[in-house]
Amino acid sequence: AQTVTQSQPEMSVQEAETVTLSCTYDTSESDYYLFWYKQPPSRQMILVIRQEAYKQQNATENRFSVNFQKAAKSFSLKISDSQLGDAAMYFCAYRATRQGGSEKLVFGKGTKLTVNP
Amino acid sequence: DTAVSQTPKYLVTQMGNDKSIKCEQNLGHDTMYWYKQDSKKFLKIMFSYNNKELIINETVPNRFSPKSPDKAHLNLHINSLELGDSAVYFCASSQASGYGYTFGSGTRLTVV
Repeated sequence: AQTVTQSQPEMSVQEAETVTLSCTYDTSESDYYLFWYKQPPSRQMILVIRQEAYKQQNATENRFSVNFQKAAKSFSLKISDSQLGDAAMYFCAYRATRQGGSEKLVFGKGTKLTVNP
Repeated sequence: DTAVSQTPKYLVTQMGNDKSIKCEQNLGHDTMYWYKQDSKKFLKIMFSYNNKELIINETVPNRFSPKSPDKAHLNLHINSLELGDSAVYFCASSQASGYGYTFGSGTRLTVV
C-alpha cells in the first residue's frame, strides 16, 4: 500500500524568508501524481501544486516550487518570500494513475507552518 | 459559484441519533469521495463513487452509508452516532486520474 510521510509536524519561518517542507512516499507504481494541499484555519483544502511523476521538471506555481526526486521518492515543497497568509497545515498527497475512481488520494499527516512577522 | 458544496457546515448531535450530510458538485466530475479528518488532522478516505457506482469502501463501520442519486450528488448518512464519529467530514470530486481533488468546505460533526 502507498504511504506518505511528512517528518516535520511543525515548522516556522520569518516573513519574507524561504522554508522547505519535506515529504517522502512509498510506492511500487512507476506512474503517479503528487500534490501539496494547504489547509488554513478556515479548514478549506486548497491545492497548491501538482507534479506528474513522468516529468523530470519540477513544478512551480508563483512562490511555490517543488523538489521532486523520483529515485529517492522525495517531494519537498519550497515556499519563497513567505507571507502571513501562508500560515496553514500543509499536506503532501499521492495519487496512483488509474481510471474510474479506484485510485485514492493518500495524504501525509501534515506539517503545521507558522509564519512570524 | 461554489464548485463542491456541503451542508451543513456544522452539526452537533447526541449519541444514538441518525444524521445526514449532503454534497453536491457542479464541476461535471465523474468521481466523488468522502474523507474523514480526525482530531489530529489526519485525512483518510471513506468512500468513492464513480458515476453513481461505489468503487472504494474502506474499513468503515456499516453505520455509515453513502448514497449517490446522480453523479453530481453524494450524501453520507450515519446511523446510531457515537462519540468517536466526531470529526470533520470532507466531500471531494475529481475528473480524470492524475488531477487533484476539489474539496468541499467540510462538515464539523460533534457528537455529545
